[in-house]
Amino acid sequence: GAVVSQHPSWVICKSGTSVKIECRSLDFQATTMFWYRQFPKQSLMLMATSNEGSKATYEQGVEKDKFLINHASLTLSTLTVTSAHPEDSSFYICSAAGSNEQFFGPGTRLTVL
Amino acid sequence: AQSVTQPDIHITVSEGASLELRCNYSYGATPYLFWYVQSPGQGLQLLLKYFSGDTLVQGIKGFEAEFKRSQSSFNLRKPSVHWSDAAEYFCAVVPWGSSYDKVIFGPGTSLSVIP
Repeated sequence: GAVVSQHPSWVICKSGTSVKIECRSLDFQATTMFWYRQFPKQSLMLMATSNEGSKATYEQGVEKDKFLINHASLTLSTLTVTSAHPEDSSFYICSAAGSNEQFFGPGTRLTVL
Repeated sequence: AQSVTQPDIHITVSEGASLELRCNYSYGATPYLFWYVQSPGQGLQLLLKYFSGDTLVQGIKGFEAEFKRSQSSFNLRKPSVHWSDAAEYFCAVVPWGSSYDKVIFGPGTSLSVIP
């Protein structure tokens, strides 16, 4: 299957700072990428759909101004958590769309102190 | 309401024993069906998928799943579990006719393996 990477794999930041997470499709071009959030012992919740060259589509209840998504190229989407707070601490997973399935990245663990 | 359920939150099996993880969905038409595995602190790995055709699907790591339309189920099985199979398992669906961005994940089943 296709390979998707995320960077960083984990990050610790102070409350009020912003954190950027990168998602890259390494061996294919991904017109569409997705961002998920996963709390401990819970399932994945779709946050937003990122389309190359256009604005992201956010799921209901996800703050657009807090979770900024940019999909500037066919191989890179970024998620920026702005003014992070402890409640934003979570595991963030991206995926890239294939023909009939999504290919998932390894995830990024964010801890906000 | 449309949903994906995994009735077992946690399962413990002995190494070498057989395993079955249950998944049920409630959608009007047969969706695309997937099983993913997630090791602690890791991303998701696709075990297998069903789109159409043979209802018994073979996957990686010795896993298989059987689609049963009459029961709206897609249960995951493995004849002999290894200690390295301990992980979280997610059933997921893409409702038929929707784009692939509408992946609906089940709540997950946590598998523990006793040596």
